[in-house]
Amino acid sequence: SQQGEEDPQALSIQEGENATMNCSYKTSINNLQWYRQNSGRGLVHLILIRSNEREKHSGRLRVTLDTSKKSSSLLITASRAADTASYFCLTGGSEKLVFGKGTKLTVNP
Amino acid sequence: SQTIHQWPATLVQPVGSPLSLECTVEGTSNPNLYWYRQAAGRGLQLLFYSVGIGQISSEVPQNLSASRPQDRQFILSSKKLLLSDSGFYLCAWSATGGSGANVLTFGAGSRLTVL
Repeated sequence: SQQGEEDPQALSIQEGENATMNCSYKTSINNLQWYRQNSGRGLVHLILIRSNEREKHSGRLRVTLDTSKKSSSLLITASRAADTASYFCLTGGSEKLVFGKGTKLTVNP
Repeated sequence: SQTIHQWPATLVQPVGSPLSLECTVEGTSNPNLYWYRQAAGRGLQLLFYSVGIGQISSEVPQNLSASRPQDRQFILSSKKLLLSDSGFYLCAWSATGGSGANVLTFGAGSRLTVL
């Protein structure tokens, strides 16, 4: 299965701190994506990293990819209360796109 | 620009009643289309995906079905709902090639409560 698995399942931090969540997968991939879901809403695409990339930045987001360990991490720096959401990784390689169970991030003001 | 519409936004249905959720995409052609379900506080379960008209891949056959009667229309149906069908249903699309391939854009979701 190409499904990624995120950890931790839940993370609670204070505003201003950094949040790190991880994704592990089992098969070879073409790319890996991270999505955010606010409560009761659809998912929003955050960032895509290709298999030949090791690190990518977008604003306060930093994603790393280690294909030898089949893992990725998403770092959110200087977190804000508005970052409170669930975060999912998605491993791509075919039309069948399967999500992991997600990390629920709570940023306390 | 591309947009995705999904309806109805919420519905409450009795056990054993039929279901029809509809999703349409505008501004693109030949998209890959997806139906996901999310139980309360849980992750997303892939139900169906389609790479073209009339082409449906089922991940969770059970009592749900999907159809793609037109290129940009994806319908999720059930003849008889079960209590376990309650959840948040999300439609999504992705491009079939180029830099946008595999990047999903989601609709706003349909919240189904089966009583």
